[in-house]
Amino acid sequence: QLRLQESGPGLVKASETLSLTCTVSGGSVSIEDYYWGWIRQSPGRGLEWIGSVYYTGAAYYNSSLESRVTISIDTSKDQFSLRLTSLTAADTAVYWCVRLRGGADYWGQGTLVSVYS
Amino acid sequence: EVVMTQSPATLSVSPGERVTLSCRANESVVNNVAWYQKKPGQAPRQVIYATSMTATGFPARFRGGGFGTDFTLTISSLQPEDFAVYYCQQYRDWPRALTFGGGTKVE
Repeated sequence: QLRLQESGPGLVKASETLSLTCTVSGGSVSIEDYYWGWIRQSPGRGLEWIGSVYYTGAAYYNSSLESRVTISIDTSKDQFSLRLTSLTAADTAVYWCVRLRGGADYWGQGTLVSVYS
Repeated sequence: EVVMTQSPATLSVSPGERVTLSCRANESVVNNVAWYQKKPGQAPRQVIYATSMTATGFPARFRGGGFGTDFTLTISSLQPEDFAVYYCQQYRDWPRALTFGGGTKVE
């Protein structure tokens, strides 16, 4: 059974950089046709796609976040990572790592990230 | 950007009722639509993909339909475990872009 698990800090200072890692177990990130991505939900808000990465390293980002986001992948560790810079209170959210083939069929449990000033 | 609009925002229903949720795109997304069920404190779960394909683990009472700009998720006989927020998502331009609707709360 494929499992995804997020790891990273739960509290980050405004203006600093958030780094989250997703570890995939029960399968490999090096599979064709599937991307690995991040989705978040701010308090009281809906779901927002942040971006996705392919096992080759090709990545795509939400245009509203593109200037601040980098998603990378480490196939040797079956991990992929999110880096989000210049944090503000608006980045406070639950962050999920997901597997995508258009839709997201596997989700991590999610991690709450709070941005404080 | 493709904008997905869900209606209504909240649906108040009783167990056993038939429920239809709507999702409209501002331009055609063909059949590239998924639906998710979200319960408090849990990760969303994919219910439907490719407009009408039921995801693993969901019973046949969940049915998706539509094409182009108008899509629906129908729950034929609502069960107590089905009370949740449902989100539609389009992926016409995947992997370059994905967008979600604002959600419909079934209460």
